[in-house]
Formats: sequence, structure tokens, C-alpha cells
Amino acid sequence: GNSVTQMEGPVTLSEEAFLTINCTYTATGYPSLFWYVQYPGEGLQLLLKATKADDKGSNKGFEATYRKETTSFHLEKGSVQVSDSAVYFCALSGAGNNRKLIWGLGTSLAVNP
Amino acid sequence: ETGVTQSPTHLIKTRGQQVTLRCSSQSGHNTVSWYQQALGQGPQFIFQYYREEENGRGNFPPRFSGLQFPNYSSELNVNALELDDSALYLCASSLMTEGYTFGSGTRLTVV
Repeated sequence: GNSVTQMEGPVTLSEEAFLTINCTYTATGYPSLFWYVQYPGEGLQLLLKATKADDKGSNKGFEATYRKETTSFHLEKGSVQVSDSAVYFCALSGAGNNRKLIWGLGTSLAVNP
Repeated sequence: ETGVTQSPTHLIKTRGQQVTLRCSSQSGHNTVSWYQQALGQGPQFIFQYYREEENGRGNFPPRFSGLQFPNYSSELNVNALELDDSALYLCASSLMTEGYTFGSGTRLTVV
């Protein structure tokens, strides 16, 4: 079945550091891939998405590229801020009617000033 | 565009009771999914409804049931509550292959 593997946290960085959170997936067909962010005490927000191979999703300085050859969708940001402290979830959605989201376990990011 | 609204935001129930959680989908979205998120964990898929019919279910017992109404709003019902049902319950709506929009969730505590 479909699955998502996400690097374990917590990740602690200093402000303006470079961020990478690895995400790989296993899926049949051509899933859509997502990164969601959950700030403390809040619900999930869609950060970015990609629906086909080689697509790059981007938002708020974050980027991720759908790599079918390596089955990866790594999240990157060139310069993190304290306000980026949150839990980041990688997820995939299958094709057709099977569009339930399959989630990674989440990576907690803490950015120190 | 109103987003996804869930009610109530917080709820405390006693073991063995029943609970109904409600979700109003984002305007135009015909698919709604429910997820359970335990503290410190990722969300777990409960079930999904498309145009009022269940079209996917996760590994949850039958005491977790749901409904989707003609206006695409939805309910999650949980019978015979157990302590382990304490969690954040998230509703998400979507349209076809667009990303899911999540509500802020209902925090259920079972005592």
C-alpha cells in the first residue's frame, strides 16, 4: 500500500540557517504530494503541493520538488525564521477515488533567534 | 470563500458516552475526510465521503460513523467512547485533485 517516510525530528536550527526535511514515499500510480504545517495549538495548513513528476511546489520561501525517480519530495527553505517553528507533515494522495491522505509522522522544527 | 468550520472546538465526555462532531466544508468542495490526531502524532485517516457516500475508511471500529449532507457538511459520530478516543479530530474538505483544506479541529477529551 501507499506510505510516506519522513525524517525524524526534532530539528533545531538557528535563525537564517538552511532547512531540509526529507520525505520519501511508496505509491502505485501517480500520487499527488503535499507538505502541511501545524503551528502550536492550531490545525493543519497546506504549505505546498505538487501533482506530477518534476513539479515544484513553493510557498512562503519553502520549496519541494516531486522526484519520481527517487520517490522523494524533500522540503527546503534557504533561511528559516523563528516564526517557522512548527511541525511539518509530508503527505500523499492517491489517484482516482482513493484520495485519502497518507501521512508521514511529522517533523518538529524549532528555530532559535 | 469561508474555509472549513468545525464545532465544537473543545469537548469533554465521559467514557461510554456518545459524541457528534460537526464540519462545514469549504464552499464548492464535495469531498470531506475525517482524521484523528493523537497528541504528538500524525493524523490518522478515519473515513472519507464523496457526494454523501462513504468512499474510503481507515482502520477504525464501526463505533466511528459518519454522514455527509446534501450541502456537503458532515458529521462524525463516535459511540461508546473510550479513553483512547481522546484526540484532536480534524475535518478536511477538497474538490477533485486540489489540496485538502483543514478545519481547526475539535479537541475531544474522554474522562
